[in-house]
Amino acid sequence: DAGVIQSPRHEVTEMGQEVTLRCKPISGHNSPFWYRQTMMRGLELLIYFNNNVPIDDSGMPEDRFSAKMPNASFSTLKIQPSEPRDSAVYFCASSLDGSTDTQYFGPGTRLTVL
Amino acid sequence: GESVGLHLPTLSVQEGDNSIINCAYSNSASDYFIWYKQESGKGPQFIIDIRSNMDKRQGQRVTVLLNKTVKHLSLQIAATQPGDSAVYFCAEIFSGNTPLVFGKGTRLSVIA
Repeated sequence: DAGVIQSPRHEVTEMGQEVTLRCKPISGHNSPFWYRQTMMRGLELLIYFNNNVPIDDSGMPEDRFSAKMPNASFSTLKIQPSEPRDSAVYFCASSLDGSTDTQYFGPGTRLTVL
Repeated sequence: GESVGLHLPTLSVQEGDNSIINCAYSNSASDYFIWYKQESGKGPQFIIDIRSNMDKRQGQRVTVLLNKTVKHLSLQIAATQPGDSAVYFCAEIFSGNTPLVFGKGTRLSVIA
């Protein structure tokens, strides 16, 4: 099992650019969770899905952030336009059926916005 | 690898000694708790969990203790090894299928 796959692993962009982070949950899992990790705020849940439907997006910081689950095996997190304060490590985790107590984390994407 | 938190509390332990990592959780109504380990450049990994109807649970070399009276959780690692060096997070679930709430983390540094 390849586990959760995230791409890219590192992204450096300039302020104002659009950034798209990608996540492939574990095969058979239909619930991706997106987290952001920073030194100041720790690990924060942004949004999670179950069966392609967003269940809780209360952690999404603002309208510049959007997330989709176009199919059962893929999710994206988009930031448009990006700002330096968006610099963080973004993790995708997956669970089998939306259960929040059993999540498997991917390796993360380190985003740097200059 | 990714730097999780340069300002995290740090616990330094001699190899072979036992480690105790503490966590104060926020909600007295939380009914499920998990400890995660995060190594540099990786995502958090599940270590052990405990439900609120228990006060102790043991795994392989790890033990979690729960004190609901003072809202305190601890992770004990026996015979600490260099591979245990990581940041450790506690997480709680308030009830049902609500999202995990993570603590700030503690960095464990094992001295060989």
